[in-house]
Amino acid sequence: GQNIDQPTEMTATEGAIVQINCTYQTSGFNGLFWYQQHAGEAPTFLSYNVLDGLEEKGRFSSFLSRSKGYSYLLLKELQMKDSASYLCAVYQTGANNLFFGTGTRLTVIP
Amino acid sequence: DSGVTQTPKHLITATGQRVTLRCSPRSGDLSVYWYQQSLDQGLQFLIQYYNGEERAKGNILERFSAQQFPDLHSELNLSSLELGDSALYFCASSVATGLLETQYFGPGTRLLVL
Repeated sequence: GQNIDQPTEMTATEGAIVQINCTYQTSGFNGLFWYQQHAGEAPTFLSYNVLDGLEEKGRFSSFLSRSKGYSYLLLKELQMKDSASYLCAVYQTGANNLFFGTGTRLTVIP
Repeated sequence: DSGVTQTPKHLITATGQRVTLRCSPRSGDLSVYWYQQSLDQGLQFLIQYYNGEERAKGNILERFSAQQFPDLHSELNLSSLELGDSALYFCASSVATGLLETQYFGPGTRLLVL
């Protein structure tokens, strides 16, 4: 089985930095994905981590620690358009698909 | 625009009815995935097809079925609909199947069962 935990909601200020955490427990781990989803729209791919460490992609970075079952998504220089849900998903060995957390709804305020 | 198309965009129907949702993957993608997203739940994986064959199965009810056709488009059939089936249904596609295949999502079909 698998269990993925993320905070339900977060609020941050425009121009600031926010870190969205994700912890997971799974019987087999093969990678962790982050998706962004604006209300009523399709999820869009942000990043993935397979090995421990930080992956940087412009304003977004994602970190993984496999031994701790922990990842975070770091968003810098927040913009109003970053207000969305951020979904953490784990690729489980043998299952051949992604298991998504319930997502963190981020609100960016002026 | 991810390149994945889904029809219809919205669907309103009554309990006990049957509906078919359609998905066309991105050009060149062989894998299609179906997900259900309810208000109180995250994205729930339903089923995956790869090049016409069922590849993985998630929490898909027996009332639901899917198939992928030779032209690689896929259909999700939902029958004996219940109020609780009201949700957003997403289709996603990827080039192949397996580790690190990024899934690209379609715009979804919003199903309302009255």
